Amino acid sequence: GQNIDQPTEMTATEGAIVQINCTYQTSGFNGLFWYQQHAGEAPTFLSYNVLDGLEEKGRFSSFLSRSKGYSYLLLKELQMKDSASYLCAVRALPGGYQKVTFGTGTKLQVIP
Amino acid sequence: KAGVTQTPRYLIKTRGQQVTLSCSPISGHRSVSWYQQTPGQGLQFLFEYFSETQRNKGNFPGRFSGRQFSNSRSEMNVSTLELGDSALYLCASSAGQGYEAMDTQYFGPGTRLTVL
Repeated sequence: GQNIDQPTEMTATEGAIVQINCTYQTSGFNGLFWYQQHAGEAPTFLSYNVLDGLEEKGRFSSFLSRSKGYSYLLLKELQMKDSASYLCAVRALPGGYQKVTFGTGTKLQVIP
Repeated sequence: KAGVTQTPRYLIKTRGQQVTLSCSPISGHRSVSWYQQTPGQGLQFLFEYFSETQRNKGNFPGRFSGRQFSNSRSEMNVSTLELGDSALYLCASSAGQGYEAMDTQYFGPGTRLTVL
């Protein structure tokens, strides 16, 4: 099976930088996604990593280390609208077709 | 392109009843996955359909079932509802080729089911 861990809650200050970690254990790893979910809304896609390294997309960056089963999402220049839950999701191909498993999410609160 | 749509958005049922939820994927997407989201458990995978066939299934009882039509629209059915079935039910669509590196899932707004 798959096991994904991420912190339950984090608080950060507007304008600061925050790093949200995700560790996972899985067989047949085939990529890691980060999603943002505002309260009462659907998750929206942020980033995807399948190779080791850093992927940068504006204020958001995502890092992956496959050997360590570790990823993080880095949010720079935090804005109040970044207050949301951030979901780490791992894609695996255990028996052929992809299966995506989500972590329980990290609720980020941005304070003034 | 229009996004993923789900109907109804809100639903209130009583224990023992059954419910059918509908999902229309992004045009051209052939894979539809269903998830149950509750505050304590997060997003739990229910099942995935591709070209009218169930490809993957999560660990949910047989009361949860689904199907996909030839136009890729999907329905999910829950029979004999229990209080614990109260949740946000999300569907997500993707191109669904499976082996492609960037087969991203795009979510619909969800159906909020309340069981009384």
